[in-house]
Amino acid sequence: AQSVTQLGSHVSVSEGALVLLRCNYSSSVPPYLFWYVQYPNQGLQLLLKYTSAATLVKGINGFEAEFKKSETSFHLTKPSAHMSDAAEYFCAVSLLGGFKTIFGAGTRLFVKA
Amino acid sequence: NAGVTQTPKFRVLKTGQSMTLLCAQDMNHEYMYWYRQDPGMGLRLIHYSVGEGTTAKGEVPDGYNVSRLKKQNFLLGLESAAPSQTSVYFCASSQGLVPAETQYFGPGTRLLVL
Repeated sequence: AQSVTQLGSHVSVSEGALVLLRCNYSSSVPPYLFWYVQYPNQGLQLLLKYTSAATLVKGINGFEAEFKKSETSFHLTKPSAHMSDAAEYFCAVSLLGGFKTIFGAGTRLFVKA
Repeated sequence: NAGVTQTPKFRVLKTGQSMTLLCAQDMNHEYMYWYRQDPGMGLRLIHYSVGEGTTAKGEVPDGYNVSRLKKQNFLLGLESAAPSQTSVYFCASSQGLVPAETQYFGPGTRLLVL
């Protein structure tokens, strides 16, 4: 069965510092992988998704993620954090032929001035 | 173009009461989903629909019913609310069926069951 593990329920960085949010997945077949962001009192918005094309995926707001099959990882990065990046981030996985998306528990990102 | 909207935004129920949550989308999407979000657990799929007049169970369907009488609307019903159903409920829609499709989420309904 597929699953998603996000390492760290809370991550705190200083403004201008590197953002690294970790996601590992478990799947017996090639997965589709997503990162969604949730700002306070809002629904989830897609940041980026991996659908078996390029392993390095660029998303909105300067975020990117790299699919590493050997490590079963899909970590999210951004070179320089902005205050506006403070939000909760969800990694998710779906499988070809499946009808559902499995979401991780989420990582809340805090950005310090 | 409002995207996905949800009504109401917040509701307090007493145990045993019933209510219906309404989701509407104006993107002409075929597929719609209801999720619940609980602290430390991410989103879990309650029910989903692959088109008008069709519904199917997701991961946590017990205690909920759904209907998709019109393509643009997806209703989630709680017949007899329980404290365990206190949660934030999100509706989503997509043009195609997952796995590769992007889902578009509504702003959520916060439900408190006393």
